Amino acid sequence: KQEVTQIPAALSVPEGENLVLNCSFTDSAIYNLQWFRQDPGKGLTSLLLIQSSQREQTSGRLNASLDKSSGRSTLYIAASQPGDSATYLCAVNDSGNTPLVFGKGTRLSVIA
Amino acid sequence: GAGVSQSPRYKVAKRGQDVALRCDPISGHVSLFWYQQALGQGPEFLTYFQNEAQLDKSGLPSDRFFAERPEGSVSTLKIQRTQQEDSAVYLCASSLTGGGYEQYFGPGTRLTVT
Repeated sequence: KQEVTQIPAALSVPEGENLVLNCSFTDSAIYNLQWFRQDPGKGLTSLLLIQSSQREQTSGRLNASLDKSSGRSTLYIAASQPGDSATYLCAVNDSGNTPLVFGKGTRLSVIA
Repeated sequence: GAGVSQSPRYKVAKRGQDVALRCDPISGHVSLFWYQQALGQGPEFLTYFQNEAQLDKSGLPSDRFFAERPEGSVSTLKIQRTQQEDSAVYLCASSLTGGGYEQYFGPGTRLTVT
């Protein structure tokens, strides 16, 4: 059974810092890995999707990498801003249109 | 275009009542997923449809939970005889077949059972 772990559970950084969020998964036979953002009381916003054949994806200040063989992904946020404060969730699935298995998330606070 | 919408956004039910939660997926999205998110946890899978066919319902926690998507578009998640442990946010997601299969989520319905 696939299990997804996110470290750290919570992180507080001053504005302007670069930071890395970690995600690990137990079964390397994944199809997709998605990073989401969730604001308090809101739904999930998809940030980046990495297919299993890809090594990384970039969107603005965000860069996600995937090392499928070691079961790891990282989300790198450059020049953090207070508006980046949210919970970041990592999720994987094992084929194209199957349910996602989520980690518990990393709660990020960026202090002005 | 419009994203995934869910209604109601908030629902308070007395223990033992039945509730129905609605999901309108993105137009043209074949696949539809329901997830349950407890406070402080990541979402957990409940059930999955491809068009009107329910392909996987292994995540439904009990036989009090029932989902349908009769015309392959709108879906309803029904919970009978609600219990306090059903209190959670219920999230709906949809995706296309083909391409990256990226899942797009709605805002969720927060259910509180008193």
